Amino acid sequence: DAKTTQPPSMDCAEGRAANLPCNHSTISGNEYVYWYRQIHSQGPQYIIHGLKNNETNEMASLIITEDRKSSTLILPHATLRDTAVYYCIVRIKAAGNKLTFGGGTRVLVKP
Amino acid sequence: DGGITQSPKYLFRKEGQNVTLSCEQNLNHDAMYWYRQDPGQGLRLIYYSQIVNDFQKGDIAEGYSVSREKKESFPLTVTSAQKNPTAFYLCASSPGQNNEQFFGPGTRLTVL
Repeated sequence: DAKTTQPPSMDCAEGRAANLPCNHSTISGNEYVYWYRQIHSQGPQYIIHGLKNNETNEMASLIITEDRKSSTLILPHATLRDTAVYYCIVRIKAAGNKLTFGGGTRVLVKP
Repeated sequence: DGGITQSPKYLFRKEGQNVTLSCEQNLNHDAMYWYRQDPGQGLRLIYYSQIVNDFQKGDIAEGYSVSREKKESFPLTVTSAQKNPTAFYLCASSPGQNNEQFFGPGTRLTVL
């Protein structure tokens, strides 16, 4: 699976949009971009995934660049409960299905 | 109420003892997984099972064993052969090979 690079931490003001970047310059054509988050001492929570088109669900939006070498997760209106570590993962859907977690971005939403 | 349950939330054991961590799901998912997480680190795959009565080693299987006798259950045994067993253990399940994974609340194991 391709490696991802994320900033180690970022702060966000409550009510504002949070834009979380992820670089995956070695992504291959059949690899998807997944985002999970982990609130302290809990299991990770699936957020969203995409291949090349932008995706949106009730939690977030995922913007993937045209060359697919980077993506941005957008939390449109951050709340204090969005404070968590956010993981960007790139993987093939068929290869044993494991999730390889890197260091992630520690997001702190401040009032 | 559907979901994945892990018990207990906190577990303490003496060094040299085997310990079994429970993972149950009522989501009718075929695939189940065990991950280990150390402080400040990402998750590492221990074992996974795509179907009942079948399982494969992940990246760090040494010192661990699993069984998958029932679809809804995937217990993990941490044996005395595991050199550094103290960690946060997470179980996950997914509907199939190509789907996102849903995680349980985790068990924090401390070996004294």
